[in-house]
Amino acid sequence: DGGITQSPKYLFRKEGQNVTLSCEQNLNHDAMYWYRQDPGQGLRLIYYSQIVNDFQKGDIAEGYSVSREKKESFPLTVTSAQKNPTAFYLCASSSLQGPGANVLTFGAGSRLTVL
Amino acid sequence: EDQVTQSPEALRLQEGESSSLNCSYTVSGLRGLFWYRQDPGKGPEFLFTLYSAGEEKEKERLKATLTKKESFLHITAPKPEDSATYLCAVPERGFQKLVFGTGTRLLVSP
Repeated sequence: DGGITQSPKYLFRKEGQNVTLSCEQNLNHDAMYWYRQDPGQGLRLIYYSQIVNDFQKGDIAEGYSVSREKKESFPLTVTSAQKNPTAFYLCASSSLQGPGANVLTFGAGSRLTVL
Repeated sequence: EDQVTQSPEALRLQEGESSSLNCSYTVSGLRGLFWYRQDPGKGPEFLFTLYSAGEEKEKERLKATLTKKESFLHITAPKPEDSATYLCAVPERGFQKLVFGTGTRLLVSP
């Protein structure tokens, strides 16, 4: 079955450490996204990519980095510069053409806790 | 700045008690409005896309409608399994990203 796989589901990090969240999709979607979800707030866009080797900052990119070396993969690194990294992170993908264009398919999420 | 506001924040219903959730938006040139369902600890699941005022879409006990300024998600005779957070979103930047509301947490009691 096609879908998006995020790993790990739960991650604990000490202050000052970088961590990388994995996101892989087998839907042949061109676009991929990273959102952050905090209690009482809507999903906020961190980074997005519409094509391999290209990506754009979203609304809250500071303290995060991404890469898009393959169409299927869009890993997110939470760096030590991110002031408040504890959150639920969601990866999504979408096609850019056709009947399902711009409909986001989400992964199951990764919950990061900073100790 | 484009904004999406959902109300109420939380809604508690008895099984079979119909109600509506609201999503109002301020965006010029609406290019679609999306509804998602999110269960606790999981990623959102797509429900509907609406593109023009007057459009309606249905799925089981859910019906989404759209006007020029807001959308409603009507829930008819809900069941406990309809309990979830319902999110709406609109695209901005030429459809390069979705702006999400904070959601309505729905709890349906047996």
